[in-house]
Order: sequence, then structure tokens, then C-alpha cells
Amino acid sequence: QVHLVESGGGVVQPGRSLRLSCAASGFTFSNYPMHWVRQAPGQGLEWVAVISFDGAIKLYADSVKGRFTISRDDSKKTLFLQMNSLKTEDTAVYYCARDPFIGAPDYLDYWGQGTLVTVSS
Amino acid sequence: EIVLTQSPGTLSLSPGERATLSCRASQSISSSYLAWYQQKPGQAPRLLIYGASSRATDIPDRFSGSGSGTDFTLTISRLEPEDFAVYYCQQYGTSALISFGQGTRLEIK
Repeated sequence: QVHLVESGGGVVQPGRSLRLSCAASGFTFSNYPMHWVRQAPGQGLEWVAVISFDGAIKLYADSVKGRFTISRDDSKKTLFLQMNSLKTEDTAVYYCARDPFIGAPDYLDYWGQGTLVTVSS
Repeated sequence: EIVLTQSPGTLSLSPGERATLSCRASQSISSSYLAWYQQKPGQAPRLLIYGASSRATDIPDRFSGSGSGTDFTLTISRLEPEDFAVYYCQQYGTSALISFGQGTRLEIK
């Protein structure tokens, strides 16, 4: 069965960096686009970034463009989110999620349990 | 950017009642690329509906989706205790990438 497990969250000071990981299992990871979605405490869902199945296309929300980088290592079945120049407003639970189709971003059929990032001095 | 507005913000109903949740888009969503998710406290969102009306795997048939263009609806025909949660709509498949509605909280009356 599909399983996504995020890690790497924690408490970090504003301006610092953090890298999140998402380990995938139960499906052929290299065939699927993957997304990061975040949720600030008590708030709704905010899409963050997507990477195509082959890593050639990476798209970002305006709120993180230029600061966050999405990447993938298909040999390790792992998705990454490198977060630089962190701001207090980046505080959120970060979820990785699978996109079931190649092409334009779609609905998200499987989600990880999330990892909490807290940006605070 | 396509903005999705969900209503009501909070819906108070009793088990056994029918729930109707609305999602309105700021511009037409092509090919009904609209999904619905359920989120319970401390859990990740779970896909319920995609393509406006197709149920995801293992979703009970009391959940149904409808609509097109700018107006979409999620209906839960007869509420079970486990259905009380927050529900989000999401649009996709457009040049505006992905966006979510702000959510509707379905609470026990």
C-alpha cells in the first residue's frame, strides 16, 4: 500500500535553513509527480510546490519562490524540500502528497502524516 | 489565481441528517477539475472526490459531489459520527496551479 513518511521538521530561527524529506513506499515513485502542501496552526491548506515525475519541471507558490527548492532522488524513493531564508510565517505542518497523473498538477490521492516546522527566535 | 470560497464556514448538524457543503470558484474551472478532502484533527487530509463527482477509493457512497463551472457541492446523504471533520475543496488542472478553499467545519449539533 502507498506510504509517505515526512521527516526533518523542527524549530529553527528566522533566516536559517531546513531540509525536509519524504520517504515513499508501496508504489513506483519515479512514475509520479509529487507535491508539498503546508498548513499553518489552526489554518487551512496551502499548496507549496510540485515536481514532475522526471524532475524536469518544478513549480512553486509565490510565497516560497526563490527561497524553497523541491527535488527528488528516485534511487532512494525520496522527495525533498530545501527551505532557505525561513520566515515566521513559514511555521506549519508540511505534508508531502502524491499526484496520480503526469501532466498539469492534479488532485492529491495519498498524503503523508506531516512534519511540523516552527520558525521562531 | 483561482480563489475558492467555501460556505458555510461552520455547519452544525446531527448524525443522520444531510449535509450540503458549497465551493464557489472565482472563475470557471475547466473539465470540472475540482476535488474534495476530509481532514480530522491531527490527521492528514484524505481524498474524497475528484473530477467534481468521482469518489476516491474506499469512500462510502453517502458522499457525493456535483457541480460544474464555478459552483460545486459536496453532499453527505446521512451523517455518521465519523463524518464530523473539516472539508476542503481544491481546484487543479489549470494554469493557475493548485489552490484550496478555506474549509468548512462540520460539527455535531
